[in-house]
Amino acid sequence: QKEVEQNSGPLSVPEGAIASLNCTYSDRGSQSFFWYRQYSGKSPELIMFIYSNGDKEDGRFTAQLNKASQYVSLLIRDSQPSDSATYLCAVNGGADRGSTLGRLYFGRGTQLTVWP
Amino acid sequence: SQTIHQWPATLVQPVGSPLSLECTVEGTSNPNLYWYRQAAGRGLQLLFYSVGIGQISSEVPQNLSASRPQDRQFILSSKKLLLSDSGFYLCAWSLGQPVSEQYFGPGTRLTVT
Repeated sequence: QKEVEQNSGPLSVPEGAIASLNCTYSDRGSQSFFWYRQYSGKSPELIMFIYSNGDKEDGRFTAQLNKASQYVSLLIRDSQPSDSATYLCAVNGGADRGSTLGRLYFGRGTQLTVWP
Repeated sequence: SQTIHQWPATLVQPVGSPLSLECTVEGTSNPNLYWYRQAAGRGLQLLFYSVGIGQISSEVPQNLSASRPQDRQFILSSKKLLLSDSGFYLCAWSLGQPVSEQYFGPGTRLTVT
């Protein structure tokens, strides 16, 4: 059973602060990691993906991956009220049939609130 | 560019009634297609996935079924809905080579009464 764990929150930060969202996964064979943002009542939207250890930056978002610790995080700098949403971490299935089919395993999400 | 459509956007159905939800993808060929359900306050549950026409794999045995009659069309069906079928149904696509990101449609919110 592959597991992706996220702190459900809610995480509350003031506007302009750095929001840090964390995710751990159980399958050491996982190679691809994704962050989705889901506004209330809407479908998930892909915001970042990372395949290699280290950091990947895209605007105000930074994804960090540590495969040895089986840990992936998302940092949101200069948080805005419009960043208030649930953030889903997703991981591929590792070295099994699931990986060849593009199977992703999702965490339950962390709810982020950015207050002005 | 690729786009994914789902309809209807919302649906209210009585227990025991049939269901048909449709998903279509434009702008890509031979995508992997997925059906997920998100119940209130819960995570995404993968229901079905398909790597090609007529090829359907089920993740969770239940009273739902899926079909892929065309390359870019994916249909979710039920003969008799249960109260527990209520939820937000999401279709997604990916290229799946070897593992690529998935993109979600706008979803169908189903309420079974």
